Order: sequence, then C-alpha cells, then structure tokens
Amino acid sequence: GAVVSQHPSRVICKSGTSVKIECRSLDFQATTMFWYRQFPKKSLMLMATSNEGSKATYEQGVEKDKFLINHASLTLSTLTVTSAHPEDSSFYICSASRDRGLVGYTFGSGTRLTVV
Amino acid sequence: GIQVEQSPPDLILQEGANSTLRCNFSDSVNNLQWFHQNPWGQLINLFYIPSGTKQNGRLSATTVATERYSLLYISSSQTTDSGVYFCAVSQFGSNYKLTFGKGTLLTVNP
Repeated sequence: GAVVSQHPSRVICKSGTSVKIECRSLDFQATTMFWYRQFPKKSLMLMATSNEGSKATYEQGVEKDKFLINHASLTLSTLTVTSAHPEDSSFYICSASRDRGLVGYTFGSGTRLTVV
Repeated sequence: GIQVEQSPPDLILQEGANSTLRCNFSDSVNNLQWFHQNPWGQLINLFYIPSGTKQNGRLSATTVATERYSLLYISSSQTTDSGVYFCAVSQFGSNYKLTFGKGTLLTVNP
C-alpha cells in the first residue's frame, strides 16, 4: 500500500529559528501534496497544496513567507517554518496523492512542533 | 465554502457495543472520506465513499449523496477503535482539496 514518511515526528526549537519538516512518498509518485495544521482537540486545517514542480497554493490567511513549501520532486515535499514563534507550535501533517486526490490520500504520521 | 458537521462530538462505549457516526455536508461533493486518527496522531484512511455503501470487517459506511450525509458504522467495538473519526469532503472545482469536519472522539472502554 501507499506509504508516506514524515520527519521529524517531534521537534523543539527556539523562537526565531527555522524548522524544516520533510514528507516523502516511499512507494509511489505523489503528484500532489497537502500540508495541514492541527491544534489540540481540533480538526485539520489545510494550509497549502503543492504540485510537483510548481509553486504551492496557500489557503487564505496562511503566510507564504512564514510557511515555505517546496515540492521539488515527485517523492518529496518540505515545509519550512521560518522565524518560528510560540504561536506556531502545533501538529503539522502532510498528505500525498498520486492522482491529485481523485481516489485517495495517504497521510504522514505528523510532526509535533514546539517553539520555546 | 462547504460546511461539514459531524455528530456526536463525543461518544463513550463499552467494548462490544455498536455505534453510528454521522457526517452532514452542505453542498454537492465529488469525494468523501472517513479517517481514523489514533491517539498518536496518525490518520488512517478508512473509506473513500462519495456515494453508496462499503464494508471492511467491522466497519461499514454509507453515503447518500442526494441527501448530503454519510454514516460510519462500527460494530462490536474494541478498545483499539478509540480515537477521533473524521469525515472529509471535497467539492467539484476545488482541485480535490479536502475539508474536514470537527470529528467524533470515540472512547471504547474495556
């Protein structure tokens, strides 16, 4: 079955530093990857959609300069949280689709980011 | 945008009991999926079901697209079924972006 690997699973960083989260599709080519943010006991909120080789499309209210998304290959997308602040602390989850979401999505295991 | 409402928000069961979770959505959809998020955060795709009925072991789901709702049935619940169940939909013309409901937190006690 389709497997998506997300790293790191947990990261603690200091305010003002940047953190990179990787999302890899291990056994399929992901034409589209999605990045979500989840607050405690809340639902998933879509941050951005990225198609391989093109710029990410950000949802309204998401700062593209703070949350940098790169989808350079069909198996790798990265989310970089730049100049992190405590309010950026959250659970970040990626998902990948081989058919632009037509049939289904496979989710990574998530990254718990804590900014201190 | 489309609204997705799930009920109940919380559900506590004894092991062996059956349950029904509901998902209502406010507009036509071209994709509906049910997910289970375990206590460690991992999301597992349970069903891709924009219409019709599917079964997988103790779980089954039915979507009535014309009436804009979907039901997830869990039979003979086990403690490992605990977690949050999310319904997510995408609309025509949305490039298959998923909108998630707020989820149902299921706790199955031994």
